[in-house]
Amino acid sequence: DAKTTQPPSMDCAEGRAANLPCNHSTISGNEYVYWYRQIHSQGPQYIIHGLKNNETNEMASLIITEDRKSSTLILPHATLRDTAVYYCIVRVGRGAGSYQLTFGKGTKLSVIP
Amino acid sequence: DVKVTQSSRYLVKRTGEKVFLECVQDMDHENMFWYRQDPGLGLRLIYFSYDVKMKEKGDIPEGYSVSREKKERFSLILESASTNQTSMYLCASRHRGALEETQYFGPGTRLLVL
Repeated sequence: DAKTTQPPSMDCAEGRAANLPCNHSTISGNEYVYWYRQIHSQGPQYIIHGLKNNETNEMASLIITEDRKSSTLILPHATLRDTAVYYCIVRVGRGAGSYQLTFGKGTKLSVIP
Repeated sequence: DVKVTQSSRYLVKRTGEKVFLECVQDMDHENMFWYRQDPGLGLRLIYFSYDVKMKEKGDIPEGYSVSREKKERFSLILESASTNQTSMYLCASRHRGALEETQYFGPGTRLLVL
């Protein structure tokens, strides 16, 4: 699986968009980009994933560069409840079997009132 | 929404006790997982289950066993709890047919072994 690089921490003002970057320069053509987050003392929460195209759901948007070497997770209107560690993971999509998720250090996002 | 529930949020046990951690998911997922999470070590896979009555060892199965008698329930058993099993335990589930590796996690059980 491709390695990812994320900044260790970021601050964002409440109500503003939070843009969390992730570099994955060694990504291969069949690898997906996934984002999870973990709020303190809770289990990880799946946010969004994508392969090539930009994706949007009720939680966030995922922007993947054309060369797929980096991506940005966008929380459009950050709230205090979005304070968490955000993990970017690059994995091959598989139709069967089960594989553990490996979380790196992630980005600690602090949303400030 | 997928819901994964774990039987306890916090648990305190004594060394040598047998400990049962229960996990239930309501989305008919075939795959279920047990991880532990420790500071500086990240998520480590203990056991996983492809389907009912099936189980496979993960990276750190020693001192643990599992049971999957029903599709929705995956139990983790600490046969004889030890202090080095003090940790946050996380259960997750996944639909087997999904191409993507989306896993849905429970809230976690923070276990303290004295």
